[in-house]
Amino acid sequence: EPEVTQTPSHQVTQMGQEVILRCVPISNHLYFYWYRQILGQKVEFLVSFYNNEISEKSEIFDDQFSVERPDGSNFTLKIRSTKLEDSAMYFCASSDTPSYNEQFFGPGTRLTVL
Amino acid sequence: AQSVTQPDIHITVSEGASLELRCNYSYGATPYLFWYVQSPGQGLQLLLKYFSGDTLVQGIKGFEAEFKRSQSSFNLRKPSVHWSDAAEYFCAVGVGQAGTALIFGKGTTLSVSS
Repeated sequence: EPEVTQTPSHQVTQMGQEVILRCVPISNHLYFYWYRQILGQKVEFLVSFYNNEISEKSEIFDDQFSVERPDGSNFTLKIRSTKLEDSAMYFCASSDTPSYNEQFFGPGTRLTVL
Repeated sequence: AQSVTQPDIHITVSEGASLELRCNYSYGATPYLFWYVQSPGQGLQLLLKYFSGDTLVQGIKGFEAEFKRSQSSFNLRKPSVHWSDAAEYFCAVGVGQAGTALIFGKGTTLSVSS
């Protein structure tokens, strides 16, 4: 069964450093998403991406964040200068159509900012 | 503002007993509602969704949910719980112009006792 994969599973970084979280969506999917979950809190929407453009983004997704589809298979989330409060589990998801269709989630990357 | 409330943080149910997980939402338009399940180390998996039509929807693994507009609720039920159902359950509402953003509740952790 096709699945969304994410690497690394755990990333530890120093405050102020740049991190790139990687995702490989399901191969025939065209819509991609990032969510995050701070420990003990709810899963929060960050951004959706289609046709090499951001479709929607939340207030969390400020100038420190960017997304990219650098090739035909990867979808990345970059945090330019990490802060302590960026520590969270980051989930990538993909879907074959937009608009309320099922989003398939990856297992997540746990980001720890020291 | 859109929101999802799951009033129960943790529920313990005996194996074979029935289960109901509560979810209330706040959303101005017609809601698109989802239940996801997350097992340890896994991504979020869609259990079921409600878009329109019959207010009782069936999902995978024997789960069902009932949409009640008057109560702004979308409670998840299962008639007989199995030990493998122990996981974290998230209710979500689809929002946004493109309908791509999911707003999640904080989740309910289900433990199953033998």
